[in-house]
Amino acid sequence: GNSVTQMEGPVTLSEEAFLTINCTYTATGYPSLFWYVQYPGEGLQLLLKATKADDKGSNKGFEATYRKETTSFHLEKGSVQVSDSAVYFCAGGYGGATNKLIFGTGTLLAVQP
Amino acid sequence: DAGITQSPRHKVTETGTPVTLRCHQTENHRYMYWYRQDPGHGLRLIHYSYGVKDTDKGEVSDGYSVSRSKTEDFLLTLESATSSQTSVYFCAISEPTGGETQYFGPGTRLLVL
Repeated sequence: GNSVTQMEGPVTLSEEAFLTINCTYTATGYPSLFWYVQYPGEGLQLLLKATKADDKGSNKGFEATYRKETTSFHLEKGSVQVSDSAVYFCAGGYGGATNKLIFGTGTLLAVQP
Repeated sequence: DAGITQSPRHKVTETGTPVTLRCHQTENHRYMYWYRQDPGHGLRLIHYSYGVKDTDKGEVSDGYSVSRSKTEDFLLTLESATSSQTSVYFCAISEPTGGETQYFGPGTRLLVL
């Protein structure tokens, strides 16, 4: 079946460090790809998305590029802040008419001052 | 923020009792979803709805039922709660033309003793 796999955490970085969180997906068709962020005690918020190969999603300094050749959608940020500390989820939209998403297991990011 | 509310936000109950969680939206979105979030599993789809009185099962539907009598409300019922259903439950909404983007509620934390 379809699946989304992301790197396990926690990821601990110092402020202003470079961030990469890896995400790969199974290549059944061409899913839309998403990154969601969850701050402590809150629901998930859409961070960015890409709907076709070579698209780049970006928001709040975060970027991810839809790579068909490597079936990847890695999340990057050039300089993290303490306020970026959260859990990040990669997700794939395989649902067609039902709009269903399949989520990765989440990666906890802790940024230290 | 998408107009999604969940009630209750926190609940403690005993094994064997019925529990109903409510999701309410003000966006008039067609699709609604119930997920559970557990450590190491990310988010897993329980049930979803694609219209009033139109529902279908997700990945982990055993022990859960749903109902949608109005566009704005989607109810999740645990017929007889078990300790394995201790989790955080999230509701989400989407539109077919939205590129599968889902918008999430704040969550309900359920503890089954």
